[in-house]
Amino acid sequence: SQQGEEDPQALSIQEGENATMNCSYKTSINNLQWYRQNSGRGLVHLILIRSNEREKHSGRLRVTLDTSKKSSSLLITASRAADTASYFCATRDTGGFKTIFGAGTRLFVKA
Amino acid sequence: DSGVTQTPKHLITATGQRVTLRCSPRSGDLSVYWYQQSLDQGLQFLIQYYNGEERAKGNILERFSAQQFPDLHSELNLSSLELGDSALYFCASSPRGTHEKLFFGSGTQLSVL
Repeated sequence: SQQGEEDPQALSIQEGENATMNCSYKTSINNLQWYRQNSGRGLVHLILIRSNEREKHSGRLRVTLDTSKKSSSLLITASRAADTASYFCATRDTGGFKTIFGAGTRLFVKA
Repeated sequence: DSGVTQTPKHLITATGQRVTLRCSPRSGDLSVYWYQQSLDQGLQFLIQYYNGEERAKGNILERFSAQQFPDLHSELNLSSLELGDSALYFCASSPRGTHEKLFFGSGTQLSVL
């Protein structure tokens, strides 16, 4: 079963706009990660936020984590056509070894 | 290039057959994870090995088995294949001492006809 649920399932925006994707999860976690997947390719790790962190930045990426609501968001600022991909959140639960992925958000950035 | 190698890239076979998917983790990584990605089920965790030993198990069917060898490469065996086993199978590895960041291979696309 999947741990995380992303919202929205699909998102279409214009180049230059910001894209926000949300993830909710069910259990207590050690960390939450975001990955990107270009069509049919392997996933690529983008950013990790630990359970004791609330916000993290990496380039045009901003991730927030609210453990009380069991939710996270990924913001991509000033999007580019090359950001078109699927984005997945993944969680690693406390005391566990599994990294469980959500269903993903498909982002389409129009040039 | 993630450094994780999966072979073959594509595999076409018939129902009832058995196939073996192979994965070589990044140099130095001890952990290997297997995932199945299909349109209706998303990315499902199958199994994880650490330095040759099974560490965690997910939604892996009894018809599927895996192992990690002393040289740390791993194989995923799928038997009595069904149409529904058609999917993209990914292997990932994580750096020694941490399981926080996974590096994915490019996957094996399995088509069961």
